[in-house]
Amino acid sequence: AQKITQTQPGMFVQEKEAVTLDCTYDTSDPSYGLFWYKQPSSGEMIFLIYQGSYDQQNATEGRYSLNFQKARKSANLVISASQLGDSAMYFCAMSPRGAQKLVFGQGTRLTINP
Amino acid sequence: DVKVTQSSRYLVKRTGEKVFLECVQDMDHENMFWYRQDPGLGLRLIYFSYDVKMKEKGDIPEGYSVSREKKERFSLILESASTNQTSMYLCASSTSLMTGRYGYTFGSGTRLTVV
Repeated sequence: AQKITQTQPGMFVQEKEAVTLDCTYDTSDPSYGLFWYKQPSSGEMIFLIYQGSYDQQNATEGRYSLNFQKARKSANLVISASQLGDSAMYFCAMSPRGAQKLVFGQGTRLTINP
Repeated sequence: DVKVTQSSRYLVKRTGEKVFLECVQDMDHENMFWYRQDPGLGLRLIYFSYDVKMKEKGDIPEGYSVSREKKERFSLILESASTNQTSMYLCASSTSLMTGRYGYTFGSGTRLTVV
């Protein structure tokens, strides 16, 4: 069975600093996808970034990048130049390729201080 | 703007009541999902559906059932609500044609309190 672990329940960062949110996963499937979602206080889940297990390069989307270390089963999210609006819950998730469902981690609450 | 709409943002129900949580998507997606979100536990899959009238159990189906009579609508049913079902419920949809990087589209969530 797949499992996602986020070991940081909460993080506090100064505005404009870079942030790394940790995510490790466990799967025996050779093919899978990794996702990061942001959940502001409004409750809606916002898709941030995706990494396929066979992708050769780390995914990037604007200020977001995914530090994918396949051998370590690690998929950390890096947010560059953090902003006050980045304060939210962040979830790492995984989907086996060919399966539709996502398995989520426990989440990390990120607070950006001015 | 495409979206997933959950009928209620906040809901308060009494123990033993039958509760319906409704979810509608306008993207013609084949797949629909119900998750519950609890602090420290993340999101856990309750039920999902790949097609009309089709359903599959997720990781925590006990105490819940679902209905999908039309492609755009996926209902979560609490047959007899209990206080341990107080939670945030999130509905999501996805297309089978564009999996992976396009992920899910989520609704805004229903915060259910059972008293």
